[in-house]
Amino acid sequence: EDKVVQSPLSLVVHEGDTVTLNCSYEVTNFRSLLWYKQEKKAPTFLFMLTSSGIEKKSGRLSSILDKKELFSILNITATQTGDSAIYLCAVGGNYGQNFVFGPGTRLSVLP
Amino acid sequence: EAGVAQSPRYKIIEKRQSVAFWCNPISGHATLYWYQQILGQGPKLLIQFQNNGVVDDSQLPKDRFSAERLKGVDSTLKIQPAKLEDSAVYLCASSLVAQSGGEKLFFGSGTQLSVL
Repeated sequence: EDKVVQSPLSLVVHEGDTVTLNCSYEVTNFRSLLWYKQEKKAPTFLFMLTSSGIEKKSGRLSSILDKKELFSILNITATQTGDSAIYLCAVGGNYGQNFVFGPGTRLSVLP
Repeated sequence: EAGVAQSPRYKIIEKRQSVAFWCNPISGHATLYWYQQILGQGPKLLIQFQNNGVVDDSQLPKDRFSAERLKGVDSTLKIQPAKLEDSAVYLCASSLVAQSGGEKLFFGSGTQLSVL
């Protein structure tokens, strides 16, 4: 059975700290890994990582994929209170197969 | 580009009542998903459509949940009768295959369902 595990499940930091969120997976015929930020109900897209794109960066956020060890990390530097959210990792197999989500990491950034 | 449209945003019902949710995906997106997200958990797939055909409904509680996508565009998800444990956020998503070959999910605003 396909499985996605995220750690830590929750994290409290202060503004300016750097955080690393982890996502490990067991998925048949891996195709892509997605990171989302969920502040209220709708998850918003952050990154997509595939075999042809294993490192992504956008502003203070960056992510890498290790296909050999079957994990990904999401880094946030110089955190701000607006980064407080649940961060979801989802992994997809063959095209047409559904995405399996991890439980999410709840990040709280204190002023 | 218009996003995934979902309605209603919130719904409060009593147990044993019925409820329906509606979703209109991004134009041109062939794949549509319904996810259930219980508080403190990640989204769990209920059903996946490819155009108007069902690809995966293995986790849909078919004794009370039903979904359709008759013309391969918008979709409805129904619960009848509702149970207390159905309280959750119901997310609709559609997907597009990127040039890199990966597939990206676009989510609607979700429906917060409370069953009392």
